[in-house]
Amino acid sequence: SQQGEEDPQALSIQEGENATMNCSYKTSINNLQWYRQNSGRGLVHLILIRSNEREKHSGRLRVTLDTSKKSSSLLITASRAADTASYFCATDPIAGTNAGKSTFGDGTTLTVKP
Amino acid sequence: EPEVTQTPSHQVTQMGQEVILRCVPISNHLYFYWYRQILGQKVEFLVSFYNNEISEKSEIFDDQFSVERPDGSNFTLKIRSTKLEDSAMYFCARSTGLGYEQYFGPGTRLTVT
Repeated sequence: SQQGEEDPQALSIQEGENATMNCSYKTSINNLQWYRQNSGRGLVHLILIRSNEREKHSGRLRVTLDTSKKSSSLLITASRAADTASYFCATDPIAGTNAGKSTFGDGTTLTVKP
Repeated sequence: EPEVTQTPSHQVTQMGQEVILRCVPISNHLYFYWYRQILGQKVEFLVSFYNNEISEKSEIFDDQFSVERPDGSNFTLKIRSTKLEDSAMYFCARSTGLGYEQYFGPGTRLTVT
């Protein structure tokens, strides 16, 4: 598998339900970022979590990071139809080695049905 | 969230032509990046740029590609002789420093015919 792999590839839920997406990576990281992309549009930065952090919240978003398992999860609570988008994780390597060379995963396509 | 703008939003060019994609800077953002996303595929890192120099580049960023800040303001990506496989969305991103949030522009859709 590649650096920054998300699962599931696609997720379909009803409005109001929670959505959980996972990201796994291979090499040691400085930080991990989650992005949202609406179809054909640019990437919107959601949350950055550093390697020494375990959990971060932003509104309805909750991100966890487990560096021992090299994995992260993005939880969207009380989903809305407007949350329908693709979600990507991106990892930044440890500063000093390819610093700034973010590696993106394939993304999870989330569909929230009204 | 800081606003990042890119021009043009869509460019159609013939194979072999040169294209220049532009990104408008934010004053306190010192690091610049270019990424591309081929339709239906993942976002791929091309190059990072700091202090008027390339910091990192990927295998994709070959001699056909170049970046510069020609007048200290706009940040440009030039593709010297486009190929069909260069057709993609090209995103500019900025950050205040390495390891900080990267803010992406809306992208330029490049179509090479």
